[in-house]
Amino acid sequence: DAGVIQSPRHEVTEMGQEVTLRCKPISGHDYLFWYRQTMMRGLELLIYFNNNVPIDDSGMPEDRFSAKMPNASFSTLKIQPSEPRDSAVYFCASSPGSLAKNIQYFGAGTRLSVL
Amino acid sequence: GESVGLHLPTLSVQEGDNSIINCAYSNSASDYFIWYKQESGKGPQFIIDIRSNMDKRQGQRVTVLLNKTVKHLSLQIAATQPGDSAVYFCAENIGSYIPTFGRGTSLIVHP
Repeated sequence: DAGVIQSPRHEVTEMGQEVTLRCKPISGHDYLFWYRQTMMRGLELLIYFNNNVPIDDSGMPEDRFSAKMPNASFSTLKIQPSEPRDSAVYFCASSPGSLAKNIQYFGAGTRLSVL
Repeated sequence: GESVGLHLPTLSVQEGDNSIINCAYSNSASDYFIWYKQESGKGPQFIIDIRSNMDKRQGQRVTVLLNKTVKHLSLQIAATQPGDSAVYFCAENIGSYIPTFGRGTSLIVHP
């Protein structure tokens, strides 16, 4: 398996624009996670899905952020409108099995810069 | 709330030395721990895990030690190599809740 695939790897946009980040999890994994990583706040969990259903979105910073998982092989994280403070590296991760032993497999991330 | 934290943000070692990366956790209910390695420009990668019913687990050149009495976790890397330079995260699980990640420790290996 190629692992978790994220696109794009880098995104530069202007404030106010819509940004869509994409993720393809590892086939057969039941869980999908979206994280944001910054120097100030470290790795923050934004939302996670189980069998394509959003379970906990309490980490989504505000209504400008939304995430979907229309099928088991694809998820998107959308920011609209984007703001400079959204600049960060966004990671998608997937994991098999139960949360009791939750080893997550991360993609390479999308580095977002909002000017 | 309770969280996972690290003692040292940066650790510098010479190539060939052994490295010890520490992690303190505050929730005594944590029952599963994971170490991840994040190289520059990449996502975190699983290294090794340990359940709370164990106090030591060994992998290839890595050993994780768990001291539940003082709520302390460490990752030992033997014969550290330049390729070990990365940020190391510990994460804790409490039952079936989502793992909580610490802030990370940067390991710098000097040739």
